[in-house]
Amino acid sequence: KAGVTQTPRYLIKTRGQQVTLSCSPISGHRSVSWYQQTPGQGLQFLFEYFSETQRNKGNFPGRFSGRQFSNSRSEMNVSTLELGDSALYLCASSLDRGWDTQYFGPGTRLTVL
Amino acid sequence: ILNVEQSPQSLHVQEGDSTNFTCSFPSSNFYALHWYRWETAKSPEALFVMTLNGDEKKKGRISATLNTKEGYSYLYIKGSQPEDSATYLCAFNLGAGNMLTFGGGTRLMVKP
Repeated sequence: KAGVTQTPRYLIKTRGQQVTLSCSPISGHRSVSWYQQTPGQGLQFLFEYFSETQRNKGNFPGRFSGRQFSNSRSEMNVSTLELGDSALYLCASSLDRGWDTQYFGPGTRLTVL
Repeated sequence: ILNVEQSPQSLHVQEGDSTNFTCSFPSSNFYALHWYRWETAKSPEALFVMTLNGDEKKKGRISATLNTKEGYSYLYIKGSQPEDSATYLCAFNLGAGNMLTFGGGTRLMVKP
């Protein structure tokens, strides 16, 4: 079974730009969650999508948004990039419930200059 | 604000040593606790999902226990090997859905 894939793997943007990251879950998984990892804050939950609906949201500003398509692929968008948005963005997919294992992708490394 | 604490932050051991780490989490509204191993330049790898008080899970030389009443979980590695070198993360799930709150991790380095 193919794992979780994320594209692109690396991205360099400048302040004020916007960026879209993509995540393809494991086949059959309907839940996709997004996390931000920074050296100072560790891994932090951004949001979760299940069956094309946002089911949970973390404590991030509205500049961070996402969506999920009918094939469970998900995208996250960050508008008006700030230097502090430089981070590793990970997505994870799982079947459904909170006790299901979440499988992580390799991440997208975003650098904002 | 949920606090998930892991200790120690880092650990250096010799090959063959056994070691353990602690994850502390809020004891109320427990739903599930996840353990992950994260090696540099790789994706976090799921080790265990624990849901019941008193749960004990094992995968090879790695095992974990769970105490939901007092809010802690232990991860044990028996006979550490250099390939066990990684950051070990625990994550707490409050309820339905997949919103994980992660601890800061324990970085393990095993010297040959």
